[in-house]
Amino acid sequence: QSALTQPPSASGSPGQSVAISCTGTSSDVGGYNYVSWYQQHPGKAPKLMIYEVSKRPSGVPDRFSGSKSGNTASLTVSGLQAEDEADYYCSSYAGSNNLFGGGTKLTVL
Amino acid sequence: QVQLVESGGGVVQPEKSLRLSCAGSGFTFNKHAMHWVRQAPGKGLEWVALISDDGKRIYYTDSVKGRFTISRDNSKSTLWLQMNGLRTEDTAVYYCTREGFRAVFFDYWGQGTLVTVSS
Repeated sequence: QSALTQPPSASGSPGQSVAISCTGTSSDVGGYNYVSWYQQHPGKAPKLMIYEVSKRPSGVPDRFSGSKSGNTASLTVSGLQAEDEADYYCSSYAGSNNLFGGGTKLTVL
Repeated sequence: QVQLVESGGGVVQPEKSLRLSCAGSGFTFNKHAMHWVRQAPGKGLEWVALISDDGKRIYYTDSVKGRFTISRDNSKSTLWLQMNGLRTEDTAVYYCTREGFRAVFFDYWGQGTLVTVSS
């Protein structure tokens, strides 16, 4: 039950795009189209941003998009805004359990 | 609107027990699997346990197997996590989360309840 691998940090200027990767194995990320992404602001509960690799829940701006290639999933935030600064976590179904990535702190410069 | 409200956290000594509760409202509780996810101070998210909508399928992360028990009462729209043999490494904010209908993601989260294991 190893955690998924995410870069600890990412950054970009307002208006730019930034991508955050999430690497797993063929037993989790690569084996199922059940990757989801969560945004967490300090002191707050996580919020679902992307599910089933690339689907956006109602209310999530279309600046947020997801994709997957092999064992690596990615979250792309386009047109960065100050309120996008937060921690982002990926998650994947892995059979009888669920895995999270270690989290990526996104800084808007 | 969907609400998940956790309670039962607190400070407890190692090897003691604690039971967390999560009250669901604003949705049909018995149509959703439920999970517990925790977050140690300053750390990332860690999935802890899952219980299916009917309570018949239950899974745990390896580090809590044999110590934690997840359960639910659909008539009361309530989820529990019984934690026995607590260790200092169990210190975390524990979140109750709802699984999307027939899906594999966490679409709603409670505000979390802090469990501190310390002597």
